[in-house]
Amino acid sequence: NAGVTQTPKFRVLKTGQSMTLLCAQDMNHEYMYWYRQDPGMGLRLIHYSVGEGTTAKGEVPDGYNVSRLKKQNFLLGLESAAPSQTSVYFCASNSIVAGGQFFGPGTRLTVL
Amino acid sequence: GESVGLHLPTLSVQEGDNSIINCAYSNSASDYFIWYKQESGKGPQFIIDIRSNMDKRQGQRVTVLLNKTVKHLSLQIAATQPGDSAVYFCAESEAVGNKLTFGGGTRVLVKP
Repeated sequence: NAGVTQTPKFRVLKTGQSMTLLCAQDMNHEYMYWYRQDPGMGLRLIHYSVGEGTTAKGEVPDGYNVSRLKKQNFLLGLESAAPSQTSVYFCASNSIVAGGQFFGPGTRLTVL
Repeated sequence: GESVGLHLPTLSVQEGDNSIINCAYSNSASDYFIWYKQESGKGPQFIIDIRSNMDKRQGQRVTVLLNKTVKHLSLQIAATQPGDSAVYFCAESEAVGNKLTFGGGTRVLVKP
């Protein structure tokens, strides 16, 4: 099992550009999450999904969109990147019956 | 709150000594708690969890203690090793499988 994988690992964007971060899990987990981690702010939930075709807002959803078209994939989109979105982004997943979330290795995004 | 970065509380411990990391939570409805370990450049890794109907749970070299009366959680690491150097986060949710709220992290530095 690869667990939770994220692509890309690193990305540099200019202000106003768009991009999509891909998260994939091979554990058949129902729940998936996107977090951002900033120095001084900790792990904050952006959006999450409790199943294929469903998404919900987390603590800091503004400026991001998500989609869960397939159970194993959860995409995070930035339509118009801003420097405030410079951060490390983590994807995580867990099953309904097990609470411990499994995290991916992260994507380091810099917006200039 | 605190997070990975320059302003994390830091615990320095001598190799071989025991470590105790503390976490306070505020949600009285929290029923499920997890400790995560995050090494530099990696995603958080599940260490141990505990339900609110327990006050102690032991794993391999780790023990989690829960005091619901004062809303306090602690992680004890026995015989701390250099590989234990990392940032440790507590997380809570209102039920197993629900989305997690992460607390501030604590950096543990193990001195040889």
